[in-house]
Amino acid sequence: DQQVKQNSPSLSVQEGRISILNCDYTNSMFDYFLWYKKYPAEGPTFLISISSIKDKNEDGRFTVFLNKSAKHLSLHIVPSQPGDSAVYFCAATYFNQFYFGTGTSLTVIP
Amino acid sequence: NAGVMQNPRHLVRRRGQEARLRCSPMKGHSHVYWYRQLPEEGLKFMVYLQKENIIDESGMPKERFSAEFPKEGPSILRIQQVVRGDSAAYFCASSPPNNGNQPQHFGDGTRLSIL
Repeated sequence: DQQVKQNSPSLSVQEGRISILNCDYTNSMFDYFLWYKKYPAEGPTFLISISSIKDKNEDGRFTVFLNKSAKHLSLHIVPSQPGDSAVYFCAATYFNQFYFGTGTSLTVIP
Repeated sequence: NAGVMQNPRHLVRRRGQEARLRCSPMKGHSHVYWYRQLPEEGLKFMVYLQKENIIDESGMPKERFSAEFPKEGPSILRIQQVVRGDSAAYFCASSPPNNGNQPQHFGDGTRLSIL
């Protein structure tokens, strides 16, 4: 049972434009949400997170939005840069259990 | 570098052999998680361990797979009698005790290839 879903396997965006990556979850017990970035042949790297008590968290070019009523999470990257090309995983957690989505491969076109 | 260390980075085994994957968590971290990534797929949770305890192994195949995290030394993921379908990247992640809301930190994985 996939409790965290990323329905878009891939996304292409022009350099300088906004990238929006989406994630849906089913378990209302989740209290912390994260985004990870992964390059080929490397492990995932933590990018940004948000607590369930917030609806927005911003860190430089990266902003995560949480809509608890819709059980929906999104990551905005603006402006997008070629170095942002990677696979992005969303994750949700409660009681030290982490659940990951299947990833979205982002390509930023120069 | 106090990051999560996995070794070996690449492991080749023949069908029927045993594979042992090791993970040293970040300094101060006592929670270890193992994930498997099959080609063209996402991260699949396998097992969550704390020192000397398996907390959740709901993602582990019922046979041939085992994991441990002893009081001393790294966490070990052991696959007995490997088959072609075990070929994958295996990632380890760690997090601190009394996690609260803290991210996991990942190693760079072990790529297991079965001949």
